[in-house]
Amino acid sequence: KAGVTQTPRYLIKTRGQQVTLSCSPISGHRSVSWYQQTPGQGLQFLFEYFSETQRNKGNFPGRFSGRQFSNSRSEMNVSTLELGDSALYLCASSEQPTGETQYFGPGTRLLVL
Amino acid sequence: QKEVEQDPGPLSVPEGAIVSLNCTYSNSAFQYFMWYRQYSRKGPELLMYTYSSGNKEDGRFTAQVDKSSKYISLFIRDSQPSDSATYLCAIKRSGGGADGLTFGKGTHLIIQP
Repeated sequence: KAGVTQTPRYLIKTRGQQVTLSCSPISGHRSVSWYQQTPGQGLQFLFEYFSETQRNKGNFPGRFSGRQFSNSRSEMNVSTLELGDSALYLCASSEQPTGETQYFGPGTRLLVL
Repeated sequence: QKEVEQDPGPLSVPEGAIVSLNCTYSNSAFQYFMWYRQYSRKGPELLMYTYSSGNKEDGRFTAQVDKSSKYISLFIRDSQPSDSATYLCAIKRSGGGADGLTFGKGTHLIIQP
């Protein structure tokens, strides 16, 4: 089975812009979770989608949003980018909602200038 | 107090040594415990997943959970240079609940040839 794929792998944006990141889960996995990883804060949970519904959201401002499509692919959007949004954004998929065994993609590295 | 504490290292050991990696957590509601390995510029890879207190072995890796002390460990036997990576512990409250994984900040491990 192919693993979790994320596009793009690298992205450079400027403050105030918005960005959309994409994630394709492992075939058959209906749950997609998003995480932000920074050197200072480590890996932090953003939100999780299952069957096109957001099940839970971490402690991030409303500028961070996401959605899931009927084929389980997911996108996350960050509006009005700030310098502090520079991070590795990771997507993880699992068969069940918030499953214990989550499989991560390679991430999208976002740099905000 | 952070929910999960993990020594960031770096931890440097000679090839062949037994490595001990540890995390402590603060909330007894956490029921599921995972260890992930992350190579530089890659997404985290699930190594071990345990539910109950006790030991779980998989090849050279042993995960140990002590719920009474809120302490989890990962042991690596016969360590190899290819084990050099960042090891992240992750915990979760309840099975199937609408809750993301809570990660430690990771321990950077270096195995010297």
